[in-house]
Amino acid sequence: NAGVTQTPKFQVLKTGQSMTLQCAQDMNHEYMSWYRQDPGMGLRLIHYSVGAGITDQGEVPNGYNVSRSTTEDFPLRLLSAAPSQTSVYFCASSYSIPAPGPEAFFGQGTRLTVV
Amino acid sequence: ELKVEQNPLFLSMQEGKNYTIYCNYSTTSDRLYWYRQDPGKSLESLFVLLSNGAVKQEGRLMASLDTKARLSTLHITAAVHDLSATYFCAVDEGGNTPLVFGKGTRLSVIA
Repeated sequence: NAGVTQTPKFQVLKTGQSMTLQCAQDMNHEYMSWYRQDPGMGLRLIHYSVGAGITDQGEVPNGYNVSRSTTEDFPLRLLSAAPSQTSVYFCASSYSIPAPGPEAFFGQGTRLTVV
Repeated sequence: ELKVEQNPLFLSMQEGKNYTIYCNYSTTSDRLYWYRQDPGKSLESLFVLLSNGAVKQEGRLMASLDTKARLSTLHITAAVHDLSATYFCAVDEGGNTPLVFGKGTRLSVIA
């Protein structure tokens, strides 16, 4: 049981480059989300999805795109990387209510540096 | 807009001592979560509190929820070094609303 798998774990980008952070879960969770973690800021929500084909913006969506074509996968795209996007990114998944175990499960994180 | 505030943000405590971390939130939610994060690691679920008056305990940690006061506490009893980590509380408003996190409390337990 892999849980939530994020790739890559580390990435260095040049300003203006694009990339996709991958997130996959094997728990059949409807709900998936992306957070970024910066020192002293806690975790801030970028985008989230309540099911395949449905996405919505979180607190800090600018510069990021998402799609949810399957229940399992929720990739995060950086279209034109900026140094302000240097951060640690976490993907999370959970069941929607009503369901057992409503807590979110987190991936191992992607440490992204934009130079 | 849901806001979640934790205090203190930094806590240095001696082994064997007791202390409490506080989590205040701004809406009438009755769904609160506590997570632990070790340096360079992901978040690990500690407690899920889903009703007013809920209390859960695991080892030296005990979490409680008072929805009327919009307050959750994480109490540490007789701290040990292994409890050193950052602790986050998070709240959602039910349905398909996203989790909103506090800024975290960095706990350091020293001998």
